[in-house]
Amino acid sequence: TQLLEQSPQFLSIQEGENLTVYCNSSSVFSSLQWYRQEPGEGPVLLVTVVTGGEVKKLKRLTFQFGDARKDSSLHITAAQPGDTGLYLCAAPGAGGTSYGKLTFGQGTILTVHP
Amino acid sequence: NAGVTQTPKFRVLKTGQSMTLLCAQDMNHEYMYWYRQDPGMGLRLIHYSVGEGTTAKGEVPDGYNVSRLKKQNFLLGLESAAPSQTSVYFCASTQAYEQYFGPGTRLTVT
Repeated sequence: TQLLEQSPQFLSIQEGENLTVYCNSSSVFSSLQWYRQEPGEGPVLLVTVVTGGEVKKLKRLTFQFGDARKDSSLHITAAQPGDTGLYLCAAPGAGGTSYGKLTFGQGTILTVHP
Repeated sequence: NAGVTQTPKFRVLKTGQSMTLLCAQDMNHEYMYWYRQDPGMGLRLIHYSVGEGTTAKGEVPDGYNVSRLKKQNFLLGLESAAPSQTSVYFCASTQAYEQYFGPGTRLTVT
């Protein structure tokens, strides 16, 4: 069973600060996804990265897939209170037919204070 | 489009009671999933379905049963609820790898 380790588990910062969340594994992935979950709601997909070394930007969010496709990072520039939420990385099952199944990291709870 | 809907949103059960959670999707997705979410543990897959009439076990299936009689619906049943099943339950569906989630059901077993 492949595991995704996210760090840190909790992050509490002031508005305007920068932050980075990490997602690491010993397994190689064909792709990796990042989801954001707001309180009382289900996760929503932010981005999918598929190529080793790939960098994707979504406004103030920058996503990077490691060269070896074993790790990923999410960097937020000038965080805002609206960025508060749970951030989850996820990867498809390894080998064979995975039927769309994903393995999720344990999540990073981000709180941005005004 | 409603996307993925779940009912009920909240429920309190006594130990030993049974209940069914309903998930419905209007995106014609083949694959559907039930997860539970507990603090510090991310999302863990309970059961999943790859099409109407099919079900399969996920990572934590014990104490739960599922049925997919219609393509758009995926039901999760608890036969005899236990306090360890206190959790937030999410249903999701997909046609490829992006999963679309419902709003969740918060279940408390006392």
